[in-house]
Amino acid sequence: DIQMTQSPSSLSASVGDRVTITCRASQSITNYLNWYQQKPGKVPKLLIYAASSLQSGVPSRFSGSGSGTDFTLTISSLQPDDFATYYCQQSHTTPFTFGPGTKVDI
Amino acid sequence: QVQLVQSGAEVYESGASVKVSCKASGYTFTSYYISWVRQAPGQGLEWMGWISAYNGNTNYAQKVQGRVTMTTDTSTSTGYMELRSLRSDDTAVYYCARVTSFDILTGYYADYWGQGTLVTVSS
Repeated sequence: DIQMTQSPSSLSASVGDRVTITCRASQSITNYLNWYQQKPGKVPKLLIYAASSLQSGVPSRFSGSGSGTDFTLTISSLQPDDFATYYCQQSHTTPFTFGPGTKVDI
Repeated sequence: QVQLVQSGAEVYESGASVKVSCKASGYTFTSYYISWVRQAPGQGLEWMGWISAYNGNTNYAQKVQGRVTMTTDTSTSTGYMELRSLRSDDTAVYYCARVTSFDILTGYYADYWGQGTLVTVSS
């Protein structure tokens, strides 16, 4: 199975901060990397697919980059609604494994 | 609009079986996959497997292989996930999600999710 790691596991930030989360795959997954946001008690929400494509309706302050094994999710200016846990997921090879998550709090 | 509506929360005895349903609406059911993802209390997301609503082909994660069966009923646009021989570490919220068909530029991704079904296994 392809192993996904994320760093940091948690971070504290303030409204307006630029936040970057890193995701690494144990082998090349080309650009088949998705990012999801999950708030406590809520359903995961797709933010980014194919490493850098913004899902419809997602604010443009979210962006993704990377290919191969290393990827980043960037929030350009953190908003109160962005405090959540973020997961990466590879869709290159089944099982489509998730990273362990990065919790973003105040 | 696209909706995935799951069956309600239930409590099971260890060793029992559960069958969670996921009724889809607002799109052509057979053009997508249905994936199942679970989340144990306080833990991350775990991909369990998926089924093609087009031809019924399935792929299961090793961890649940042999205990899980995913099916679809195209007449009602409903997906099902049955998990047998339940044990305490199966206690989790189970989500169904609509997964796009493969595109070489974008791969697969889950763009709509059900509301989740809490399955509690008591010993």
